[in-house]
Amino acid sequence: ELKVEQNPLFLSMQEGKNYTIYCNYSTTSDRLYWYRQDPGKSLESLFVLLSNGAVKQEGRLMASLDTKARLSTLHITAAVHDLSATYFCAPYNNNDMRFGAGTRLTVKP
Amino acid sequence: EPEVTQTPSHQVTQMGQEVILRCVPISNHLYFYWYRQILGQKVEFLVSFYNNEISEKSEIFDDQFSVERPDGSNFTLKIRSTKLEDSAMYFCASSGWVAGGLWEQFFGPGTRLTVL
Repeated sequence: ELKVEQNPLFLSMQEGKNYTIYCNYSTTSDRLYWYRQDPGKSLESLFVLLSNGAVKQEGRLMASLDTKARLSTLHITAAVHDLSATYFCAPYNNNDMRFGAGTRLTVKP
Repeated sequence: EPEVTQTPSHQVTQMGQEVILRCVPISNHLYFYWYRQILGQKVEFLVSFYNNEISEKSEIFDDQFSVERPDGSNFTLKIRSTKLEDSAMYFCASSGWVAGGLWEQFFGPGTRLTVL
């Protein structure tokens, strides 16, 4: 069974600071997703990473994938309050997607 | 923009009762999924569905659960005899190709199931 470890689980940041969320997974995966979830809301797709070395950036978020290390990272640059949410990584393999425990990010002024 | 829809938004039921959660996936998508999220916890995969049959299922998806695509648009999750621990948010998702050649998975807004 595909196991996913995400850390940290809780992250409190000051506005303007940088930080990285890590996602390790146990078995080979076709692709890896990053999602954002606001309290009481559904999941919003942020990135789909398809291959080794893939890097995608959207605004202050940048995601990367190392399939050999089975590691994905989500880097936050110059955090702003609007980024406060829970972030999930989710490796996908053979129509089966497993989520990490989520990182609850709080950005403080 | 196309979206996944789910009904009802909130379902309250008594323990032991059957519930059916409904989803309308995005129209040209071929893969459909159900997930659940117990309050404050992670999202858990239940089942994937392709070509009118279950493709993968997790250990959570036992004999109490079933899925169906009764017509060309709806995708349902049935829980035969609900238990207290079935209380959760249930998300439907569908996946397909989007512009740029990406394979994306889109989630519905969820149905909050409360078992009393």
